Amino acid sequence: DTGVSQDPRHKITKRGQNVTFRCDPISEHNRLYWYRQTLGQGPEFLTYFQNEAQLEKSRLLSDRFSAERPKGSFSTLEIQRTEQGDSAMYLCASRTSGVADTQYFGPGTRLTVL
Amino acid sequence: GQNIDQPTEMTATEGAIVQINCTYQTSGFNGLFWYQQHAGEAPTFLSYNVLDGLEEKGRFSSFLSRSKGYSYLLLKELQMKDSASYLCGPRVSGGSYIPTFGRGTSLIVHP
Repeated sequence: DTGVSQDPRHKITKRGQNVTFRCDPISEHNRLYWYRQTLGQGPEFLTYFQNEAQLEKSRLLSDRFSAERPKGSFSTLEIQRTEQGDSAMYLCASRTSGVADTQYFGPGTRLTVL
Repeated sequence: GQNIDQPTEMTATEGAIVQINCTYQTSGFNGLFWYQQHAGEAPTFLSYNVLDGLEEKGRFSSFLSRSKGYSYLLLKELQMKDSASYLCGPRVSGGSYIPTFGRGTSLIVHP
């Protein structure tokens, strides 16, 4: 499988717990994006990386959200002290740095906070 | 910032043609994507328009007018499997690529 993969696919947690999601991009893609999508809405941009550098993080929803891509390959998104409002689908996408190159999305991680 | 407007929902009959409109206001526009998203699945790429005009790709075509801030996705010979959400995504330039999406148009195709 050469697509974008995400793990886990589903996560159920209790309010106040920390959760971490992983994204493995397509291997030759140097750009990686995280989005959040709630029901009936389009994907909402959170942050992105070019290789290991996080070039945009001002749209992370709060300081409880953080992301890393330590070696420029896989990335993790962590949410600390989860709240019920964090329940959503978290999507990862990757692309090369070509001007018109397409983003390819992973299957997403569905988070439910009880 | 970006304002993206698309109809929330549309219905059409199998075999028909449907046009999904998208208007946008962005700073630093540099092309527009359309994605298809089936319920519970990830978005998949349909088209990317940079220049004004119509681009055709099989049953799907996409049109862009940069001066009007307007795009549409045209779906011909509708099939039941085309029932999905269609996301309009203007691409903003300026040093970093930050694609943004509208809320999407939910298309329901019925027999």
